[in-house]
Amino acid sequence: GENVEQHPSTLSVQEGDSAVIKCTYSDSASNYFPWYKQELGKRPQLIIDIRSNVGEKKDQRIAVTLNKTAKHFSLHITETQPEDSAVYFCAASRGDSNYQLIWGAGTKLIIKP
Amino acid sequence: DTAVSQTPKYLVTQMGNDKSIKCEQNLGHDTMYWYKQDSKKFLKIMFSYNNKELIINETVPNRFSPKSPDKAHLNLHINSLELGDSAVYFCASSPGGAQPQHFGDGTRLSIL
Repeated sequence: GENVEQHPSTLSVQEGDSAVIKCTYSDSASNYFPWYKQELGKRPQLIIDIRSNVGEKKDQRIAVTLNKTAKHFSLHITETQPEDSAVYFCAASRGDSNYQLIWGAGTKLIIKP
Repeated sequence: DTAVSQTPKYLVTQMGNDKSIKCEQNLGHDTMYWYKQDSKKFLKIMFSYNNKELIINETVPNRFSPKSPDKAHLNLHINSLELGDSAVYFCASSPGGAQPQHFGDGTRLSIL
């Protein structure tokens, strides 16, 4: 079955710098890759997603890149701000009738002032 | 309007008790999920229903029983609560397939 590995588990960056979180997946049939942000005590919320027919997607300071050959995808956050501090989860899905997302273990992002 | 709502928000109870958590979504989605998030923050899928039919039933103790009276509701009943059941339980919904999941605010379950 699918397995998603996420690195690093904790990432500390200076405010204003960029942050990159990486995920690898095992099932080459996976075709949908969302990223969720979970602030302390809150629910996970989708921040960006990408499908296997594109290699990159941007939304303001957030971007996701996908390398299908290498089976990895990454979240890039530029010009980090204190409100970016949270746990970020990647996930992968085949989009078939199982409707299941396979989740990474999460990355705690700490923005240092 | 809250898209995915769970009740109660907090649940503190004694070991051995039976409790239920309710979830409702007003997004018109066909698929609903229950997740368990423990202190290490990992999101573990427990169950999923698509249009009232159970489609995902992960390795979860039999003490946990989901029920979906209609596609807008998915409840979770837990029998004989144990200390290890302490966690945050999230309900989520999606249109199904490769689509985003929308989460409720979670139910924080604490077992004394």
